[in-house]
Amino acid sequence: KNQVEQSPQSLIILEGKNCTLQCNYTVSPFSNLRWYKQDTGRGPVSLTIMTFSENTKSNGRYTATLDADTKQSSLHITASQLSDSASYICVVVPQTGFQKLVFGTGTRLLVSP
Amino acid sequence: DAGVTQSPTHLIKTRGQQVTLRCSPKSGHDTVSWYQQALGQGPQFIFQYYEEEERQRGNFPDRFSGHQFPNYSSELNVNALLLGDSALYLCASSVTGGLNTEAFFGQGTRLTVV
Repeated sequence: KNQVEQSPQSLIILEGKNCTLQCNYTVSPFSNLRWYKQDTGRGPVSLTIMTFSENTKSNGRYTATLDADTKQSSLHITASQLSDSASYICVVVPQTGFQKLVFGTGTRLLVSP
Repeated sequence: DAGVTQSPTHLIKTRGQQVTLRCSPKSGHDTVSWYQQALGQGPQFIFQYYEEEERQRGNFPDRFSGHQFPNYSSELNVNALLLGDSALYLCASSVTGGLNTEAFFGQGTRLTVV
C-alpha cells in the first residue's frame, strides 16, 4: 500500500471554477508535506511546503491545508486557468534526517475551456 | 542560474545494455537525489548523494548505481537494462542540512528500453 494516497485520480473542471485535491498519508514521523505541479514529461515544480506544525500555506491561487492529526492534506485551486492542467502530486518528507521525498501517485487535472 | 539540468533528454537503449544519465545541480546546492517515474505513477526514490557518497538508498537493485563529482554534479548508471527500466528519470538538487528546504527538479531523462 502506498504511503501517500491521492484522490481523485483524475478530474475535469471548467475554466474559472475551483477544485480541491485530497492527500492521505501514513508516513510517520514526517518533517514536511509538499504539493508539486508536474506538466507531462517535465520535472515537478514545488507549489507549497508545510511543516507538521503548519495548518495552511498559500501560493497565489493555490492553498494547501494540513491536518497532522488525521494525516490529511488538501490543495485548493481557485479560479482555475487552462495552464493549471497538469498532475498535482502530494509529497511527504520523512523525519529521517535526509531529504528523501515520498511521492503520491498524483491527481491529473484537466481544465476545460 | 540554469537551475537543474539533465542530459540527455531522451534515450533509447536495447535490453541488456548499460546507460549513464547526468545531472548538474542548481547553483549552491550540494545534494543530489535520483528518482524513477514510470508512466502514470509518482516518482520513486532511487538514492541520494552528498559529499560524493551515497547516503540513502531506495528499494532498487544493485544494477542501479551512481556517482557524485567534486563539483556536485552526479551520474546515474543502470546496468543490464530491462524493459521495466523504461521510465522518466528525475534528478533533484537541494541544500543539505535542511529537511524543509526546497528540492528543485530537472526536466528529466526519458529512457526507453526496447
